[in-house]
Amino acid sequence: NAGVMQNPRHLVRRRGQEARLRCSPMKGHSHVYWYRQLPEEGLKFMVYLQKENIIDESGMPKERFSAEFPKEGPSILRIQQVVRGDSAAYFCASSPSGGPAGNTIYFGEGSWLTVV
Amino acid sequence: SQQGEEDPQALSIQEGENATMNCSYKTSINNLQWYRQNSGRGLVHLILIRSNEREKHSGRLRVTLDTSKKSSSLLITASRAADTASYFCATSWGGSEKLVFGKGTKLTVNP
Repeated sequence: NAGVMQNPRHLVRRRGQEARLRCSPMKGHSHVYWYRQLPEEGLKFMVYLQKENIIDESGMPKERFSAEFPKEGPSILRIQQVVRGDSAAYFCASSPSGGPAGNTIYFGEGSWLTVV
Repeated sequence: SQQGEEDPQALSIQEGENATMNCSYKTSINNLQWYRQNSGRGLVHLILIRSNEREKHSGRLRVTLDTSKKSSSLLITASRAADTASYFCATSWGGSEKLVFGKGTKLTVNP
């Protein structure tokens, strides 16, 4: 049973380019979460999605960032016009239902974005 | 802010010793979870303890929760070099699906 799969693991983008990070949840999981980790920091919640719905995007920056979880295919975190401050590790997590209140959520290995 | 705070920020011990890490938080919680992160890797779930539980064990790990003090501790007994990692506590509360993480404790176990 494969875990949460994220790709790419490492991504380098120049300032102003777009970054697309993909996440395939664990089999049978319909809830996806994205977190960002800055160097030497803990993870910060960004967005919580179910299939075709954004449930909570309170942690998403107001501009340049968007997320989707289509009916078919992986969840995508998209960062437009990247800036150096976007350099971070982006983690995806999934749960079967109900999320942290009732269940463990499982994290992927992360996507490390470097903006040069 | 609900953010948990781990204490100490860094801990260095010898193999075979016990390691204790603490976590404090600010509001009532549903549960508290501990995760381990090796350098450059993802998070590995260690233990989930619910708000109505006081202690849980898993192998060499022991987690306690004191809701009156809004604190939790993670004890790793008979530590090994492979336990070297950062350890994070994360809380969830109310109807929220978010996990709120602390900044972590960086544990180094010297062989």
